[in-house]
Amino acid sequence: GQSLEQPSEVTAVEGAIVQINCTYQTSGFYGLSWYQQHDGGAPTFLSYNALDGLEETGRFSSFLSRSDSYGYLLLQELQMKDSASYFCAVKDSNYQLIWGAGTKLIIKP
Amino acid sequence: DSGVTQTPKHLITATGQRVTLRCSPRSGDLSVYWYQQSLDQGLQFLIHYYNGEERAKGNILERFSAQQFPDLHSELNLSSLELGDSALYFCASSGGEGNIQYFGAGTRLSVL
Repeated sequence: GQSLEQPSEVTAVEGAIVQINCTYQTSGFYGLSWYQQHDGGAPTFLSYNALDGLEETGRFSSFLSRSDSYGYLLLQELQMKDSASYFCAVKDSNYQLIWGAGTKLIIKP
Repeated sequence: DSGVTQTPKHLITATGQRVTLRCSPRSGDLSVYWYQQSLDQGLQFLIHYYNGEERAKGNILERFSAQQFPDLHSELNLSSLELGDSALYFCASSGGEGNIQYFGAGTRLSVL
């Protein structure tokens, strides 16, 4: 079957750095995406990695290692507004997104 | 604002009833996806339409159906509603290779 594993919850302190990991097992791989969702809100796109390596967008970075079927989202200089759920998603051989269950990021002052 | 419009925002109905959720994709996007999200759960993919044709089905119940019209808007029909169908229903759209999905604000369905 297809599955994505990510931690259910991560806690960090304001101003710190946090990494959210995602491992996947899917039929085919055409890219790893990350989405952010605030409570009661809609998911919003953060990043997309199709090739190995690090992609940086402001305070957020995303990494992919296809040989390890692994990726992570790195959030730097954490702000209280970063408190949200973060979802990884893999585009499979049917060009559909397979979603992880989400990681709830709790930020403490 | 993602550019994806979903109506209604909230829907309260009774068990056994039928409802229709509507989605207008971003201008130019040909793909529409429907997702169900129950409380504190992840996103469950229901169905994907591309330019009016069904492309893929996920965990969509037989009581649920969808279609995409020539103007590219889409509707998700939920019938014989059960208490367990209470959830947030999201529509998303994408263009090109579909690497980025843009989500609407969702429809919160409460079945009483």
